[in-house]
Amino acid sequence: GAVVSQHPSWVICKSGTSVKIECRSLDFQATTMFWYRQFPKQSLMLMATSNEGSKATYEQGVEKDKFLINHASLTLSTLTVTSAHPEDSSFYICSARDGGGTGRTYFGSGTRLTVV
Amino acid sequence: DAKTTQPTSMDCAEGRAANLPCNHSTISGNEYVYWYRQIHSQGPQYIIHGLKNNETNEMASLIITEDRKSSTLILPHATLRDTAVYYCIAPSGSARQLTFGSGTQLTVLP
Repeated sequence: GAVVSQHPSWVICKSGTSVKIECRSLDFQATTMFWYRQFPKQSLMLMATSNEGSKATYEQGVEKDKFLINHASLTLSTLTVTSAHPEDSSFYICSARDGGGTGRTYFGSGTRLTVV
Repeated sequence: DAKTTQPTSMDCAEGRAANLPCNHSTISGNEYVYWYRQIHSQGPQYIIHGLKNNETNEMASLIITEDRKSSTLILPHATLRDTAVYYCIAPSGSARQLTFGSGTQLTVLP
């Protein structure tokens, strides 16, 4: 089946630094990608929707200057957490919608971010 | 997205069928019902989806009521590896983003 690769799977960073997370669709073109955040014992919360070649659409309450999203190609989207703080520690998950084939949405394996 | 309602948790004996219900009474005529599951600390996994006909694949069966206000996901022979949170979603909007509710924690017991 379709695969979405997310990297890194876990990262520890110091407070104030920035962290970039990559999300790649390996065998399909993803016109739309989504970024979620999940805190312990909670459900996934949609952060933003990105379309290839255009600006991301952020959900209410998500700071676009803090969570920079770039979707420069049909197979790659990146999320950069800028000036990370301990409260940004969370499980970040990307997903990609197969725009050409099934129309289904496939998820990456997630990135565990810990800010110390 | 149409609002979906699922039980918070369910138990199932290993080898037995697991039947997970979902209410989506506000679903519109062109909204599909999708089922995903999330095993602890992993990304969600697609299971099955349907519009109005019952669907079956290698993982599960999906039974949708005639009025489309509810559906049931059936895992025919549950195994311990099926222990996960199961999400029923009816996406809408041009981007078809998936909005996750709290889902059902299915625990398969040995």
